Amino acid sequence: DQQVKQNSPSLSVQEGRISILNCDYTNSMFDYFLWYKKYPAEGPTFLISISSIKDKNEDGRFTVFLNKSAKHLSLHIVPSQPGDSAVYFCAASARNSGYALNFGKGTSLLVTP
Amino acid sequence: SQTIHQWPATLVQPVGSPLSLECTVEGTSNPNLYWYRQAAGRGLQLLFYSVGIGQISSEVPQNLSASRPQDRQFILSSKKLLLSDSGFYLCAWSLQVPYGYTFGSGTRLTVV
Repeated sequence: DQQVKQNSPSLSVQEGRISILNCDYTNSMFDYFLWYKKYPAEGPTFLISISSIKDKNEDGRFTVFLNKSAKHLSLHIVPSQPGDSAVYFCAASARNSGYALNFGKGTSLLVTP
Repeated sequence: SQTIHQWPATLVQPVGSPLSLECTVEGTSNPNLYWYRQAAGRGLQLLFYSVGIGQISSEVPQNLSASRPQDRQFILSSKKLLLSDSGFYLCAWSLQVPYGYTFGSGTRLTVV
């Protein structure tokens, strides 16, 4: 059963515009949320995270928003750059499961010049 | 600094053969260790996690098993591989906190 869902398998955005990647979750025990970026044949690399006690976290061009009541989070990339083209995974964890990350299926972002 | 080693990078195995993938972490003690699999066209699926030596939690029932014989060693095994076991296997570690998750470089397993 998929507890973390990314319903958009792909997204194409023009360079300089905003990229918005969405993620929904079902497990109310999740208390930490992360975004990872992955290139083919490589392991995912951490991008940004947010604790359930916050509703926004910003790091440079990347901002993550959390709406606990809707069990929804999103990643905003502004401005988007061609180097941002990759697969983005949303992940969530809960303290009572050793903080094992549950990943969504990923969204493939393509930023075009 | 902490590093994670995972090998081999690629592996081609016949159906019914055994499997052993190894992952080791350096530079830290008592890490949480994880095995994930990414099947073709699918996301990252958590297979096993371990919060200590000999402590293994299985998230998905299948013909794979995991062991943690030492604090910083995590092994993924199978007695008989199936075609459906093909995929990209990733080991990861973290401390006893929800962040700081670091992945290995992965093993591409093709079962033929």
